[in-house]
Amino acid sequence: LAKTTQPISMDSYEGQEVNITCSHNNIATNDYITWYQQFPSQGPRFIIQGYKTKVTNEVASLFIPADRKSSTLSLPRVSLSDTAVYYCLVAANNNAGNMLTFGGGTRLMVKP
Amino acid sequence: NAGVTQTPKFQVLKTGQSMTLQCAQDMNHNSMYWYRQDPGMGLRLIYYSASEGTTDKGEVPNGYNVSRLNKREFSLRLESAAPSQTSVYFCASRAGQGKVPYNEQFFGPGTRLTVL
Repeated sequence: LAKTTQPISMDSYEGQEVNITCSHNNIATNDYITWYQQFPSQGPRFIIQGYKTKVTNEVASLFIPADRKSSTLSLPRVSLSDTAVYYCLVAANNNAGNMLTFGGGTRLMVKP
Repeated sequence: NAGVTQTPKFQVLKTGQSMTLQCAQDMNHNSMYWYRQDPGMGLRLIYYSASEGTTDKGEVPNGYNVSRLNKREFSLRLESAAPSQTSVYFCASRAGQGKVPYNEQFFGPGTRLTVL
């Protein structure tokens, strides 16, 4: 399983863009990169998934360089409600059941 | 459409007691997962089930057993609870087959377990 490394915590202010980088040096050819968000006392919630280059949805953007050894989750103009823990996962994107493991995550604190 | 439901929401056990955590999903998903989350920590995978009738160990399976009763239900059993199993337990499901993105999991609200 590809191991991921993320910063333990980050601080930001309302209205700023936040970029959280995840390192996954031993990512496999079949692996996709998935990001989740978790609020206190809740289960994680899927944010975005990508394989290469850039993926954008209504919540975030995901930037993946050509070597795919890292990825960056970008949250545009964060608000206080974006304060949460963000997890990066790497796993094969297939039909079979796969062992989806979470790392320690990045605790994002958005300040007024 | 309730998504993923877990029972109970809270439980207090004494060391050595046994209990079963229940999880059910109504999204017709193939894969189901059990995670534990200790205070201030990330989630750790206990067991998962790729499909009805199959189960596999995750990162921290010791002290737990699971049953994939049918496609909807996946239970987690603690045979002899220990204080080290005090944690929040999350169940999740994943469509896997025929739905993109395959790795999108849906989580239940969690069960907060305290073992004294």
